[in-house]
Amino acid sequence: AQSVTQLDSQVPVFEEAPVELRCNYSSSVSVYLFWYVQYPNQGLQLLLKYLSGSTLVESINGFEAEFNKSQTSFHLRKPSVHISDTAEYFCAVTPPGGGNKLTFGTGTQLKVEL
Amino acid sequence: GAGVSQTPSNKVTEKGKYVELRCDPISGHTALYWYRQSLGQGPEFLIYFQGTGAADDSGLPNDRFFAVRPEGSVSTLKIQRTERGDSAVYLCASSPDRVAYNEQFFGPGTRLTVL
Repeated sequence: AQSVTQLDSQVPVFEEAPVELRCNYSSSVSVYLFWYVQYPNQGLQLLLKYLSGSTLVESINGFEAEFNKSQTSFHLRKPSVHISDTAEYFCAVTPPGGGNKLTFGTGTQLKVEL
Repeated sequence: GAGVSQTPSNKVTEKGKYVELRCDPISGHTALYWYRQSLGQGPEFLIYFQGTGAADDSGLPNDRFFAVRPEGSVSTLKIQRTERGDSAVYLCASSPDRVAYNEQFFGPGTRLTVL
């Protein structure tokens, strides 16, 4: 079985400041890792994913996440946030061959303020 | 193109009643997933279908919950004898297939309130 921990339930940050949203996971097998984002009044959508290879993955809107196997972490970062990044962010994992059923963390609400 | 749709968007029912929640996946997607999201929690896996068959229903909390996908497209989640603890947002997602690296496309959810 897998579990995902997102310790920060809310992260307030000013616009143009950097941000890091933390994600740690526990699993007895290797996993694929994902960040999903839920903007206000919208459904969950994929932000980025790590499958294999380079441990640093990037999204099209400037977010990046780094897989750290020794620390079992997959923290999400952005060097300069925008008001439009205000949303809830969910970290999720699934084992290869597991049918793609995702195990999610409890989410982090990112609130970007002027 | 159309995304995943779910109906109704909101459902209020009384304890003990039966409810059905519907999911229309993206056309051509063979894998369909149901999740439940309680207040302050992340989505929790319930069941997924590959085609018409339930490939994994290990997340269904008890036998009051049942889901079908008779023609490999639309799916219905059925809850019998609803309890107040069933109140949550029920999410549906679809994917081109069940391969683990494929993106899941989520619907807006059905908010179920059991009074």
